[in-house]
Amino acid sequence: DAGVTQSPTHLIKTRGQQVTLRCSPISGHKSVSWYQQVLGQGPQFIFQYYEKEERGRGNFPDRFSARQFPNYSSELNVNALLLGDSALYLCASSLKSGEQETQYFGPGTRLLVL
Amino acid sequence: AQSVSQHNHHVILSEAASLELGCNYSYGGTVNLFWYVQYPGQHLQLLLKYFSGDPLVKGIKGFEAEFIKSKFSFNLRKPSVQWSDTAEYFCAAAGYSSASKIIFGSGTRLSIRP
Repeated sequence: DAGVTQSPTHLIKTRGQQVTLRCSPISGHKSVSWYQQVLGQGPQFIFQYYEKEERGRGNFPDRFSARQFPNYSSELNVNALLLGDSALYLCASSLKSGEQETQYFGPGTRLLVL
Repeated sequence: AQSVSQHNHHVILSEAASLELGCNYSYGGTVNLFWYVQYPGQHLQLLLKYFSGDPLVKGIKGFEAEFIKSKFSFNLRKPSVQWSDTAEYFCAAAGYSSASKIIFGSGTRLSIRP
């Protein structure tokens, strides 16, 4: 079975631009979560969506937004990019949201903001 | 505040040595605990997880972890490491009833000398 897939794999943007990252969950998984991993640190939670509804939001500014589509794929949008947004953005999928949930991660999208 | 601490940033061992990576968490209520591994050039993979029951959990590739509630710890162990265990290891925690937000530690880089 295919795992979590993300596109693009790499992206270079300049400050002030906007970026859209995409994620397809494992088949049958209805929940998608987004994380930001800065070099040398562990992933930090940004959002979770389950059945197209936002279930959780981390401590990130409103420049970050996301949505989930009827086929459970998801997009993460970041507006007005800052240099500090340079990071690996990870998508994780799970069967459900909440009790005894296990998240499986994709390969990530590496974003560089110049 | 919820947090996960990994005290060892970089561990260097010789092949066949025993491994123990420390992880402590601060989390109100019942907690789910995870260890993820990131091999060079690969994405985060789940090594093992603890939800409830036997506090000694076994994962893939000969790894195990012990949940000690009184010490708020979930240390990862392997009796004999191999060169292929070279990777970054992340401990993570999530609330039992709101597992959408996984909090990661900062990671421990494990280097194995052949």
